Amino acid sequence: RKEVEQDPGPFNVPEGATVAFNCTYSNSASQSFFWYRQDCRKEPKLLMSVYSSGNEDGRFTAQLNRASQYISLLIRDSKLSDSATYLCVANDYKLSFGAGTTVTVRA
Amino acid sequence: ETGVTQSPTHLIKTRGQQVTLRCSSQSGHNTVSWYQQALGQGPQFIFQYYREEENGRGNFPPRFSGLQFPNYSSELNVNALELDDSALYLCASSPRGTSNTGELFFGEGSRLTVL
Repeated sequence: RKEVEQDPGPFNVPEGATVAFNCTYSNSASQSFFWYRQDCRKEPKLLMSVYSSGNEDGRFTAQLNRASQYISLLIRDSKLSDSATYLCVANDYKLSFGAGTTVTVRA
Repeated sequence: ETGVTQSPTHLIKTRGQQVTLRCSSQSGHNTVSWYQQALGQGPQFIFQYYREEENGRGNFPPRFSGLQFPNYSSELNVNALELDDSALYLCASSPRGTSNTGELFFGEGSRLTVL
């Protein structure tokens, strides 16, 4: 079983829409969680950390549910520039990346 | 720009050959991690170096080896290349030692094709 599993998508949404997706993690001992963003043929970059209480960063909201071992990301008012692959990451002694969820925002 | 540079950017090898990939970490970062990203997959942790010592290893065979130098730059060596080694190899640096804040600064990667 993979340590972090994500719905690969793709999620195709119009500009201005809200899109949300989850990932699940298998290691209950994971200490912290993150969302990374990866543009096509580019390196991953940290988007935001995920806190137990939930947290927002502008149009992005992340939630953590430790009991069910899943993490979510919600993007409000989608922009064309949000088109990317979003990687879910769980941290035990190393960062474990999911395979990514692809989001395409169309005009 | 993260300040992490990798070389070469692209290379082609044949099965059985050996390859060395290089990484210069961001100034002030003493920890370097290497990841393998196959097409359509997320990055998979290979190993991490902190102050020139291996400090954690993923599920990769011993033919994947590494080094970190006193200036914190690093090398990834892969012996006896196999077709499945074809992937993007990402180097990431971070400013901390064994603790991990989750923020890794990735280079643009070295794309290896094994024929």
